[in-house]
Amino acid sequence: DIVMTQSPDSLAVSLGERATIRCKSSQTILYSLSNKNYLAWYQQKPGQPPKLLLYWASTRESGVPDRFTGSGSGTDFTLTISSLQAEDVAVYFCQQYYTSPPTFGGGTEVEIK
Amino acid sequence: QVPLMQWGSGLLKPSETLSRTCAVYRGSFSGHYWNWLRQSPGKGLEWIGEVHRDGNTTYNPSLKSRVTISVDTPKNQFSLRLTSVTAADTAIYYCARSNCTSTSCFQAFDMWGQGAMVTVSS
Repeated sequence: DIVMTQSPDSLAVSLGERATIRCKSSQTILYSLSNKNYLAWYQQKPGQPPKLLLYWASTRESGVPDRFTGSGSGTDFTLTISSLQAEDVAVYFCQQYYTSPPTFGGGTEVEIK
Repeated sequence: QVPLMQWGSGLLKPSETLSRTCAVYRGSFSGHYWNWLRQSPGKGLEWIGEVHRDGNTTYNPSLKSRVTISVDTPKNQFSLRLTSVTAADTAIYYCARSNCTSTSCFQAFDMWGQGAMVTVSS
């Protein structure tokens, strides 16, 4: 199975400031023929299921604010929240779907400083 | 109305069989793959398996010997059976939909049910 490793485990950011979460896969999740990275990002708030934010590493799901940006390729990826809002307090997960079984990172908890 | 609603056993004893069913109330049932996942403090988020309307299934190898996922297309429902449960199967169980375009599906999950706590305890 592909192992997904996120860092940091948690971070505290002031309102309006940038939050950066990293995700590393144990092998490439870039499919060369399509030049697509098989990576998704999710947001999970307490008591709720995960919510899909981004797929193909950088494509926003419908309705996701543009302050959420995904970048990276191959094995190293980043989720950036450009200007943290109070409603962004949550745990964020990355997930690869390059090979089955799909696997998730351990999560990064984002809170307000 | 929630798009996915599940029901089933919530408290089990070791060696019993976990059974849950998920009903799809929003969107196309036939054009997607339907999944079961679970989340626990120890293992994090774990994909259990998927089913298509034609009955085609794929399972996580780590659970394959104990898992069966089935589909009832006329009812827009799919079900999970997990046999011989232990305390390690204690988790929140989710049903979810795979993201699909007009030509293909991929295992990013764009619709989730609310989740249900399943506890295995003697």
